[in-house]
Amino acid sequence: EAQVTQNPRYLITVTGKKLTVTCSQNMNHEYMSWYRQDPGLGLRQIYYSMNVEVTDKGDVPEGYKVSRKEKRNFPLILESPSPNQTSLYFCASSQSTGVADTQYFGPGTRLTVL
Amino acid sequence: KQEVTQIPAALSVPEGENLVLNCSFTDSAIYNLQWFRQDPGKGLTSLLLIQSSQREQTSGRLNASLDKSSGRSTLYIAASQPGDSATYLCAGHNDYKLSFGAGTTVTVRA
Repeated sequence: EAQVTQNPRYLITVTGKKLTVTCSQNMNHEYMSWYRQDPGLGLRQIYYSMNVEVTDKGDVPEGYKVSRKEKRNFPLILESPSPNQTSLYFCASSQSTGVADTQYFGPGTRLTVL
Repeated sequence: KQEVTQIPAALSVPEGENLVLNCSFTDSAIYNLQWFRQDPGKGLTSLLLIQSSQREQTSGRLNASLDKSSGRSTLYIAASQPGDSATYLCAGHNDYKLSFGAGTTVTVRA
């Protein structure tokens, strides 16, 4: 089944404790991205990757890191989480960034930073 | 920077009524406009994608239109059903990223 998977689905952590949220897709997609969703603000893009070893900042990159060492994986790293990073996080992928390329989303990771 | 707005934020209709959901965007140089559905606690499911060269797309009871000149897209859902209750999000695709509206939460009353 074609899908985007994220782990963990739920995470409660404390301020300053480094964490990684994994994202993997099995569709051989070139493009992957991370979003956060907050009430009243919609989804905002954190980082995106056009292909392996190519990443760039989205609208809200502060406090996050990413890497794209393999085509299928795009982990999101929070080096020193803070309470304002409590949010619902989504990973997405698409074949490329062409006009006809639909975005496929993972199920989300709900993160709480105490 | 693309700004996407969806009004209203919430909508409640009786079963069988047609739904009209609005989306406006500020930058008409979009590659495409996508509509998504999000159920509570779940991810986003793509409903329709309208390329910049197209005026509308249809899938079953869903029809989406795109007017780049006015910066508007509309999603029509015919003969609504309780199973259509969800949050509907639109997103404009520019310069390698999607810009999302905050969504319209729809409740269809049986």
